[in-house]
Amino acid sequence: SYELTQPPSVSVSPGQTASITCSGDKLGDKYTSWYQQKPGQSPVLVIYQDNKRPSGIPERFSGSNSGNTATLTISGTQAMDEADYYCQAWDTTPLFGGGTKLTVL
Amino acid sequence: QVQLQESGPGLVKPSQTLSLTCTVSGGSISIGGYYWSWIRQHPGKGLEWIGYIDFSGSTFYNPSLKSRVIISTDTSDTSDNQFSLKLNSVTAADTAVYYCARYSLWTHTHNNWFDPWGPGTLVTVSS
Repeated sequence: SYELTQPPSVSVSPGQTASITCSGDKLGDKYTSWYQQKPGQSPVLVIYQDNKRPSGIPERFSGSNSGNTATLTISGTQAMDEADYYCQAWDTTPLFGGGTKLTVL
Repeated sequence: QVQLQESGPGLVKPSQTLSLTCTVSGGSISIGGYYWSWIRQHPGKGLEWIGYIDFSGSTFYNPSLKSRVIISTDTSDTSDNQFSLKLNSVTAADTAVYYCARYSLWTHTHNNWFDPWGPGTLVTVSS
């Protein structure tokens, strides 16, 4: 069965660029979405269709997808960006990656 | 804008049926173009898609849960704009936060995303 693999954790200093990866076989041939989830809250869509930002999502969030890896990039990371991030794609059903905890320190 | 809200019992006994309702406001679930989905998150864990229903009542379920799940809509009363989840024969492994979400799926390209989400409701399976 198809799997999406994310690193369990990523750390970044405030103001720096954070990159969170999502790997899957030929993932670049699929569309990937990304969700941010803060503690006690429901997930929020931050990127869809690989690199599109929904209304209200800051420009510092961007996405790319090629080969076997999709990447969520947060430029000029802020303390408020500390959260869990999940990638999501379609194989025969909607699938989620295992999530990455982003720590801003 | 569209908003979703889950409701239902927070405690279910083992072997019984978990029943939740998602109330949608700001948009009709009877209009095509979207799918209405349930997703769950076990405590401290990742997200698991349960299934979805479309405006015509067609459903699609996670194969791992398919034998125990029914998702349905209730638009018999125009004031109700809801869809529901029933999960039978529950065990402690079904303890999770359950979310409803609107799902966009482009069937030809499989471009897809969940937005927006409800706040979620914790369901505990325990005697």
